[in-house]
Amino acid sequence: SQTIHQWPATLVQPVGSPLSLECTVEGTSNPNLYWYRQAAGRGLQLLFYSVGIGQISSEVPQNLSASRPQDRQFILSSKKLLLSDSGFYLCAWSEDRGLYGYTFGSGTRLTVV
Amino acid sequence: AQSVTQLGSHVSVSEGALVLLRCNYSSSVPPYLFWYVQYPNQGLQLLLKYTSAATLVKGINGFEAEFKKSETSFHLTKPSAHMSDAAEYFCAVSGSGGYSTLTFGKGTMLLVSP
Repeated sequence: SQTIHQWPATLVQPVGSPLSLECTVEGTSNPNLYWYRQAAGRGLQLLFYSVGIGQISSEVPQNLSASRPQDRQFILSSKKLLLSDSGFYLCAWSEDRGLYGYTFGSGTRLTVV
Repeated sequence: AQSVTQLGSHVSVSEGALVLLRCNYSSSVPPYLFWYVQYPNQGLQLLLKYTSAATLVKGINGFEAEFKKSETSFHLTKPSAHMSDAAEYFCAVSGSGGYSTLTFGKGTMLLVSP
């Protein structure tokens, strides 16, 4: 069966520090991968998605970036965090075109101080 | 283009009462529709999905939803609320043709009182 792992679960980082969040999927090949951010009262905002290694689509321009160095690995990064980067970050995967829904990881709570 | 509107950021019900969470969508192509549930500090779990088969869809934990094209709605219902149903619920839409990402509503927090 397929599983998705996301870490760390919580993270407190100072303003201006770098960020690296990692997500891996097991039990499937060539998944579509997604990064969402959830801020209080604002629902889920799609940040990046990837349909293959090295293929990244950005939905929202900001100081975050994403990379997919391996087929089942998706990394969210920042060189310098802002206070506004605080939130709950969720990784997800889907098969093919994602028409049948996504499977989400357990999330990372990021607090920038 | 597609969008989802969830009416009511918070809904309160008593245990044993009917649960009704409203979702209206907008889509330029025939939609696929989803309901997800999120418990505090956890990821989203798929409750049910509509993918152009039966318009009445049954999901986990006794929830169901009905796709009504004429009303562009996909409301979530459960006949009798349990305390364990207290969570945030998200409606989402994707297009049935080509590739499109899921677009989520802003969520509805369901509060269940004894």
